[in-house]
Amino acid sequence: AQSVAQPEDQVNVAEGNPLTVKCTYSVSGNPYLFWYVQYPNRGLQFLLKYITGDNLVKGSYGFEAEFNKSQTSFHLKKPSALVSDSALYFCAVRDPVMGNQGGKLIFGQGTELSVKP
Amino acid sequence: GAVVSQHPSWVICKSGTSVKIECRSLDFQATTMFWYRQFPKQSLMLMATSNEGSKATYEQGVEKDKFLINHASLTLSTLTVTSAHPEDSSFYICSADRQFSGNTIYFGEGSWLTVV
Repeated sequence: AQSVAQPEDQVNVAEGNPLTVKCTYSVSGNPYLFWYVQYPNRGLQFLLKYITGDNLVKGSYGFEAEFNKSQTSFHLKKPSALVSDSALYFCAVRDPVMGNQGGKLIFGQGTELSVKP
Repeated sequence: GAVVSQHPSWVICKSGTSVKIECRSLDFQATTMFWYRQFPKQSLMLMATSNEGSKATYEQGVEKDKFLINHASLTLSTLTVTSAHPEDSSFYICSADRQFSGNTIYFGEGSWLTVV
């Protein structure tokens, strides 16, 4: 069964410092991995995804993530954090069982990122 | 990016009544939509997968007669909470699978349901 783990409930970073939000996965076959961000009382916004190709994936708002197959990780990173990056971040894996469209998203438990001035 | 619209954003209803939440893909067709429930500061719990023109697939433990899902067109899915109770109060989020988008699922802004 597919699963995703985000080992940190909360990450605290000072503005301007680099940030990392961790994610590890367990899948059978090739993983389809995603990062989403959720601001308070809002839906989820798509940040980036890894399907195939380069291990370093660049996404929205300066975020990037590195797919590491040997460590089964897909950590989200940003070189310089902003206060406005403070939000809830979700890593997800997509079950590729429904042909080209894929199946449901399986989410990690979420990591709350707090960036202080 | 792709836009998914969810309506209403906030709704208050009385116990025992039913309430409908709409999820629309505004600029793309979605053969599959997903409905989630989220409690504060927690992850999303998948309730059901909605496929256009067919019956929804419910996750284990989700009452299909209580949470009615209809996906009548390629751009609209609805979730109806029937005979609502206070414990149904939650944040409900829909998402849509955009065809030929490289497996990306896009989310609506969510709907807060409060049952009084």
